[in-house]
Amino acid sequence: AQSVTQPDIHITVSEGASLELRCNYSYGATPYLFWYVQSPGQGLQLLLKYFSGDTLVQGIKGFEAEFKRSQSSFNLRKPSVHWSDAAEYFCAVGAYDSSYKLIFGSGTRLLVRP
Amino acid sequence: GAGVSQSPSNKVTEKGKDVELRCDPISGHTALYWYRQSLGQGLEFLIYFQGNSAPDKSGLPSDRFSAERTGGSVSTLTIQRTQQEDSAVYLCASSLTRDSPLHFGNGTRLTVT
Repeated sequence: AQSVTQPDIHITVSEGASLELRCNYSYGATPYLFWYVQSPGQGLQLLLKYFSGDTLVQGIKGFEAEFKRSQSSFNLRKPSVHWSDAAEYFCAVGAYDSSYKLIFGSGTRLLVRP
Repeated sequence: GAGVSQSPSNKVTEKGKDVELRCDPISGHTALYWYRQSLGQGLEFLIYFQGNSAPDKSGLPSDRFSAERTGGSVSTLTIQRTQQEDSAVYLCASSLTRDSPLHFGNGTRLTVT
């Protein structure tokens, strides 16, 4: 079965600074990889996904993520953070075991300093 | 409807009572998931329905939890003899196919007193 780890519970960055949120997974093959964002009082929204092909994927709101097979990682990045990016970010891994299952990490809460 | 609908949005119940949470997925979506999000925690997988296949119940925390999906559409999550540790936000999500992006409902906030 797959598992996913987000090692940072909280991250604080200044507005305009760059951002990288870490995600590591465990699975025997290449899984489907997703990043979702949960803004305060709102539901979860898909930022981007990786299934195959180009390992650098672009998402909405200026986010990108890079799949690194050798590191079993799928880190989320943004070159310049805006105050509205303050939210909880979840990495998710979809893979087949006895059936397909989508498992979420524990989340990273992003705080943005003015 | 345009999105995944969950009801009720909030539920307060006494310890020991049974509760039913409802999810109306997006029409035509074959995959439906239930997750639980406790305060300050991530999303805990509970159960997954895909088409007419047997559901994956591997995430249900105890036999007090059960779920069904009638006619491949509406799903109900039932918690029997609720405990205080069941207090959480229960999220439902659906997707067009098993590996399509999920569309989440706004959740049901369950409080067990």
